[in-house]
Amino acid sequence: EIVLTQSPATLSLSPGERATLSCRASQSVSSYLAWYQQKPGQAPRLLIYDASNRATGIPARFSGSGSGTDFTLTISSLEPEDFAVYYCQQRSNWPPVFTFGPGTKVDIK
Amino acid sequence: QLQLQESGPGLVKPSETLSLTCTVSGGSISSSSYYWGWIRQPPGKGLEWIGSIYYSGSTYYNPSLKSRVTISVDTSKNQFSLKLSSVTAADTAVYYCARRPVTTPFDYWGQGTLVTVSS
Repeated sequence: EIVLTQSPATLSLSPGERATLSCRASQSVSSYLAWYQQKPGQAPRLLIYDASNRATGIPARFSGSGSGTDFTLTISSLEPEDFAVYYCQQRSNWPPVFTFGPGTKVDIK
Repeated sequence: QLQLQESGPGLVKPSETLSLTCTVSGGSISSSSYYWGWIRQPPGKGLEWIGSIYYSGSTYYNPSLKSRVTISVDTSKNQFSLKLSSVTAADTAVYYCARRPVTTPFDYWGQGTLVTVSS
C-alpha cells in the first residue's frame, strides 16, 4: 500500500504570499498525483491532476510539479479564498486504488 | 450541470449495515467515460476512498474495507449505492459520492451526508 505524507501540517501565511506544499509517496506513483482543496463544510475541489495539470476553471496561481515520489503544490500569491485544507491523492495504475494524504492546512497568519 | 446527491439514514446502529444512494442528474451514469465512487471523511479528519464502480458493474474497493463494502449501480434510475456492513463508531463520517473520469481523479462531488453510528 502506498502511503502519502504531506508537509507541513499547517502553513501560516498572509494574503499575497507564496505557498509551497509538499506531498511525498512511500513508493513511486509515476505522475498519478492529484491535489484537492477543501473548505469547511464543503466537498473537496479538484485543483491539479497528473501532477501538473490544472483542472477546469482553476486559476493560474495554482501549479503542481513533481514525479515519482516527491510532489509540490504552489500557490503563487495567496488570495483570501485560498485559505483551506489541501490534500494530495494518488492512484495506483491497476487496479485503480486511491489513497489520500493527511492534508495541509493553510491558514491566515 | 452535473449534480450528485447522497441520500440515506443519518443514524445507524452498531453492527448494522449502512446504506446510501447517490443520484446523478445532468448526466448519464451509463457513460463509458466515467467511474463513480464513494469517499468518506470522519469528523475533523482526512479523506478515505471507499470504492468505485463502472457502469458495467465492475467494482474496485479499498483493501482495508473490502470485506464489508458493496457498491452497486442502477442505470435505470441513474443511481449508484453503497452498503457498509457491521458498522462501528469508527465508521461515523461524512460520506461523499463523486464522479471520476477514466483518466483523471474525482472531478464532481456531492455535498456529502453525515452518517453517525450510535445506539
